[in-house]
Amino acid sequence: DQQVKQNSPSLSVQEGRISILNCDYTNSMFDYFLWYKKYPAEGPTFLISISSIKDKNEDGRFTVFLNKSAKHLSLHIVPSQPGDSAVYFCAASGHSGNTPLVFGKGTRLSVIA
Amino acid sequence: NAGVMQNPRHLVRRRGQEARLRCSPMKGHSHVYWYRQLPEEGLKFMVYLQKENIIDESGMPKERFSAEFPKEGPSILRIQQVVRGDSAAYFCASSVDNQPQHFGDGTRLSIL
Repeated sequence: DQQVKQNSPSLSVQEGRISILNCDYTNSMFDYFLWYKKYPAEGPTFLISISSIKDKNEDGRFTVFLNKSAKHLSLHIVPSQPGDSAVYFCAASGHSGNTPLVFGKGTRLSVIA
Repeated sequence: NAGVMQNPRHLVRRRGQEARLRCSPMKGHSHVYWYRQLPEEGLKFMVYLQKENIIDESGMPKERFSAEFPKEGPSILRIQQVVRGDSAAYFCASSVDNQPQHFGDGTRLSIL
């Protein structure tokens, strides 16, 4: 039973436009959420996180939104760049650190020039 | 400032052999996590260790798999008597208290 779901396996966006990646979770005990970006043959790279006491966190071109009542979060990338093309993983845990992460299956983002 | 170092990057074993995967955490990081990724899947947690202690091994198979993080040296994930189903990418992550986990580039294990 998947506790973290990324229902879109892939997404294509034109360069300069907004990319929106979505993630749903089922476990109400999760209170810390992260997005990782992964290139082929490399490990996941941490992008941005959000704790359940907030509903938005922003870092440059990346913004994560959290809707606790809907158990839904999203990652917005604007403007999208070709170098953003990668697989994006949503992850969740019960605390801000020192606990295992539960990952979604990932969404492959292609940014077209 | 070196990141999480994993070696080897690729490992080929025949069925029945042993596989040893090594992970050196980032400098100053005392928490180590191992994850496994099958093709087209997300990463699945296996085990969480601090120096000389296993904190959580709920994701690790009870048989053939073991992990350690000794006082000196890297963390080791050991798989005995490997089978075809063990073929996967194994990722190690490290963190300091209450900070995001940072990942190594993984070991791709192939079983012939």
